[in-house]
Amino acid sequence: QKEVEQNSGPLSVPEGAIASLNCTYSDRGSQSFFWYRQYSGKSPELIMFIYSNGDKEDGRFTAQLNKASQYVSLLIRDSQPSDSATYLCAVNRGYGGSQGNLIFGKGTKLSVKP
Amino acid sequence: EADIYQTPRYLVIGTGKKITLECSQTMGHDKMYWYQQDPGMELHLIHYSYGVNSTEKGDLSSESTVSRIRTEHFPLTLESARPSHTSQYLCASSENGGFMSGAKNIQYFGAGTRLSVL
Repeated sequence: QKEVEQNSGPLSVPEGAIASLNCTYSDRGSQSFFWYRQYSGKSPELIMFIYSNGDKEDGRFTAQLNKASQYVSLLIRDSQPSDSATYLCAVNRGYGGSQGNLIFGKGTKLSVKP
Repeated sequence: EADIYQTPRYLVIGTGKKITLECSQTMGHDKMYWYQQDPGMELHLIHYSYGVNSTEKGDLSSESTVSRIRTEHFPLTLESARPSHTSQYLCASSENGGFMSGAKNIQYFGAGTRLSVL
């Protein structure tokens, strides 16, 4: 089992719809969860970060954590064509010599159709 | 906007050449990282550093080497480039948060260096 798993997609949604992206993680010691957006040919940029104590909303973006099931989700409301990108889920390593390093998933490609 | 810079942005070079990819950050971050990413593929951590004189190998074995003589500078070197080294190399930095520190683990990425070895 990979440490952070994401459906590679592509996930296609119409403009204005809600896009729902998910990832599962295997390290029960992970305490911090991150969503990055990566446009084609560009480097990843942070969208949201949540700690293990709760969900977070920031504008059109909501990150939710289900620790019992070990999955993290990102909801994008009122999706726009400019949201079309690959979304990377990352979690911090909980234990071991590289604590604090992030483990990245492969990413889910989102396409928002006008 | 993150203050982390990579040069060159693009590099085309012949087999057998020695190359150094530069990465500098002005945020005073202790931790720095090098990732390798092929087009449409996942990020692979190849090196990281906790601070000056600290270097560690990442999850993906790499023939490259790194050094950390100054906090702000984390160059990556390939002694003899080969076509198999063709890829995008991304540098990142963060505070040194440990596994409980949440926001201190946020990694900020440079724009990347796209390397082509002929």
